[in-house]
Amino acid sequence: AQSVAQPEDQVNVAEGNPLTVKCTYSVSGNPYLFWYVQYPNRGLQFLLKYITGDNLVKGSYGFEAEFNKSQTSFHLKKPSALVSDSALYFCAVRDNGGRRALTFGSGTRLQVQP
Amino acid sequence: GAGVSQSPSNKVTEKGKDVELRCDPISGHTALYWYRQSLGQGLEFLIYFQGNSAPDKSGLPSDRFSAERTGGSVSTLTIQRTQQEDSAVYLCASSLGSDLYNEQFFGPGTRLTVL
Repeated sequence: AQSVAQPEDQVNVAEGNPLTVKCTYSVSGNPYLFWYVQYPNRGLQFLLKYITGDNLVKGSYGFEAEFNKSQTSFHLKKPSALVSDSALYFCAVRDNGGRRALTFGSGTRLQVQP
Repeated sequence: GAGVSQSPSNKVTEKGKDVELRCDPISGHTALYWYRQSLGQGLEFLIYFQGNSAPDKSGLPSDRFSAERTGGSVSTLTIQRTQQEDSAVYLCASSLGSDLYNEQFFGPGTRLTVL
């Protein structure tokens, strides 16, 4: 079975500071990893994905994520946070076992203070 | 271009009534997914369609829940004899194909409240 853990319910960061939202995963095969963001009363928006290749993945709105196979992690990062980045962030995984559904973490609320 | 659309955006119903939720995927997307988002359970997978077929229904919580997809496009999720625990936001997503690397694009959701 596959699972995702987002150990922090909330992350607080000052505008202009770097941010990290943590994600660890457990799969039986090779992972396919995704980050989504959810703004209030909106659906989930795709940010970025790791499939294979370079461990550092760049995505939308200046976000990036680093895949670390030995630590089974896929942390989301941004060098300089904006107040408008405040939202709910979800990490999700599939593995190459064939199941198409995404398994999501519990979500991390990012609060960027001006 | 147009994204995934869902209707209604909000639905309030009485316990025991049936409800239908609609999803219009992005044009040309062959794969379609239904998820449920609730405070206690997070994001849960319900059902996956490839074309009009549903190869994975493993997330449907009971036989009160069913879904269909017609013409490889629109999908309807039906909940019969609604219960209060069915209250949640129901999210639909579509992807270009069913390959594991395809990201899913989500609609805005239908907020279901069962009184």
